[in-house]
Amino acid sequence: GNSVTQMEGPVTLSEEAFLTINCTYTATGYPSLFWYVQYPGEGLQLLLKATKADDKGSNKGFEATYRKETTSFHLEKGSVQVSDSAVYFCALSGGTSYGKLTFGQGTILTVHP
Amino acid sequence: DAGVIQSPRHEVTEMGQEVTLRCKPISGHNSLFWYRQTMMRGLELLIYFNNNVPIDDSGMPEDRFSAKMPNASFSTLKIQPSEPRDSAVYFCASRGDEGVLTAQYFGPGTRLLVL
Repeated sequence: GNSVTQMEGPVTLSEEAFLTINCTYTATGYPSLFWYVQYPGEGLQLLLKATKADDKGSNKGFEATYRKETTSFHLEKGSVQVSDSAVYFCALSGGTSYGKLTFGQGTILTVHP
Repeated sequence: DAGVIQSPRHEVTEMGQEVTLRCKPISGHNSLFWYRQTMMRGLELLIYFNNNVPIDDSGMPEDRFSAKMPNASFSTLKIQPSEPRDSAVYFCASRGDEGVLTAQYFGPGTRLLVL
């Protein structure tokens, strides 16, 4: 079945540092890939998405590229801010889990001034 | 546009009581999902509906949990009787009819504490 693996957290960075959160997946066919962000005390918000190989999703300075050859969808941001402190979830839809999202375990990001 | 609406936002109850959580999906969305989030188990899909019909309820933990979707704009998740291990944040999400590969949109969640 489908699975999503995220890098272990928590990740702690200083403001303006470069961010990478790794995400790899296992799925048959051509799933869609997503990054969701959860701020403290809130629900999950869609951050960005990609629906086919080599697509790049981007939003609020974050980017991720759908790499089918490496089955990866790593999240990057060139310069993080304190306000980016949150939990980030990689997810996929499609493959064997028709209609359902498969989530990674989440990565806690803390950005210090 | 209004997003997914959930009520109540917080619920504190005593063991054995009935709890009803409510969700209003985004207008025009035809799929609705109920999730539970805990520190120990992370995000778990409990049940999802398509066009008001339950498609997959394999995540519903036991018979104490039930979910209904009487129409396209309303769903409930009921726990009867509630137990302390049901304490969690319960999220509702909805998805449009563009297909199963499109994104789900989440509500703010209901924080449930069962004493």
